[in-house]
Amino acid sequence: GIQVEQSPPDLILQEGANSTLRCNFSDSVNNLQWFHQNPWGQLINLFYIPSGTKQNGRLSATTVATERYSLLYISSSQTTDSGVYFCAGNTNAGKSTFGDGTTLTVKP
Amino acid sequence: DVKVTQSSRYLVKRTGEKVFLECVQDMDHENMFWYRQDPGLGLRLIYFSYDVKMKEKGDIPEGYSVSREKKERFSLILESASTNQTSMYLCASSSPVGEKLFFGSGTQLSVL
Repeated sequence: GIQVEQSPPDLILQEGANSTLRCNFSDSVNNLQWFHQNPWGQLINLFYIPSGTKQNGRLSATTVATERYSLLYISSSQTTDSGVYFCAGNTNAGKSTFGDGTTLTVKP
Repeated sequence: DVKVTQSSRYLVKRTGEKVFLECVQDMDHENMFWYRQDPGLGLRLIYFSYDVKMKEKGDIPEGYSVSREKKERFSLILESASTNQTSMYLCASSSPVGEKLFFGSGTQLSVL
């Protein structure tokens, strides 16, 4: 199966700062998804982005499929952005492989 | 919005007990998945299903089985619970294959 690597593993920001999270995958993927897991454990799907760029409020994501990476941008971070961010790649047969996540802490 | 509902938020069981974790989705999705999440190990796929009565092994199926008798419901079964099955269990659904995944809120299972 594919390998999915996320960086950095941990990130601490002051409220209002911007950040970029990266996801590298070892093989071509059919799709790439970004999730946010809040402190209560709920995983929320942020983006479904097999290629190109999408934006949703202060968040945006870019996937460059030919170079096997995706980036998640968080602008003007807020304390509610804290949690773990996962990316997941899917190659075939419906199985998504998850990275180990980036733990983001936004301090007030 | 898609809703994926897991029957219990917290569950405590004894070693050797048979445990059922239930998951229901309300969007007529064909595909359903069970993951477990452990600190330092991320999310790992246990089993998934493409259709009623169909099941496929994921990456860590040992010690688990599943049942999908109806399209909206996917059950994870621990035949004889062991302490190493203490974990957060997450159910997800999608439609069609490879498309956007939606997760339930998780079941934190403790096996004593």
